[in-house]
Amino acid sequence: GQQLNQSPQSMFIQEGEDVSMNCTSSSIFNTWLWYKQDPGEGPVLLIALYKAGELTSNGRLTAQFGITRKDSFLNISASIPSDVGIYFCAGHKAAGNKLTFGGGTRVLVKP
Amino acid sequence: NAGVTQTPKFRVLKTGQSMTLLCAQDMNHEYMYWYRQDPGMGLRLIHYSVGEGTTAKGEVPDGYNVSRLKKQNFLLGLESAAPSQTSVYFCASSFTGTQPQHFGDGTRLSIL
Repeated sequence: GQQLNQSPQSMFIQEGEDVSMNCTSSSIFNTWLWYKQDPGEGPVLLIALYKAGELTSNGRLTAQFGITRKDSFLNISASIPSDVGIYFCAGHKAAGNKLTFGGGTRVLVKP
Repeated sequence: NAGVTQTPKFRVLKTGQSMTLLCAQDMNHEYMYWYRQDPGMGLRLIHYSVGEGTTAKGEVPDGYNVSRLKKQNFLLGLESAAPSQTSVYFCASSFTGTQPQHFGDGTRLSIL
């Protein structure tokens, strides 16, 4: 089963709002990755984090590698309609070849 | 620059039929992966390869086989398809085991 817990599972955004999502685990991870998946497409890498405490931005996106190495968060500032999609966190434990994925946060537009 | 290309994009099979999904990458990556994505389950690793001629089992390998005869290609085979294998299949590749993985656009497979 999944070892990364993402929350919230879904959220509604209104244009201009800041949104935040996070990913937690009971295990320690050496890298954290954030991906976005649009309908009918594969996940696209947004941000990669390699050091505990690291804070990295990519345009309106900011992600942080938690100090405990057991969590990460992603913030989207001033959201726009094209931000809708599914956001996945993923991480590598130790020096492994396998990537563990969270269940995703589905971002939707407020009606 | 194509990145990771998966073929076919869609396929419908009958139970018991066999088929092969093809993944090709043009980034000279050593590592390649096959995942399946099911609602509420995220991405689960089926098999992976750390280089040409190598394969290894992932989290959910049963019912699937893989081959990596050429560095740029990674094939996923279903010998006798079952309805439980209805899913969206994603291929990914990376330079090393700890570098970010780059994904294809998926193959949507339905087994009746």
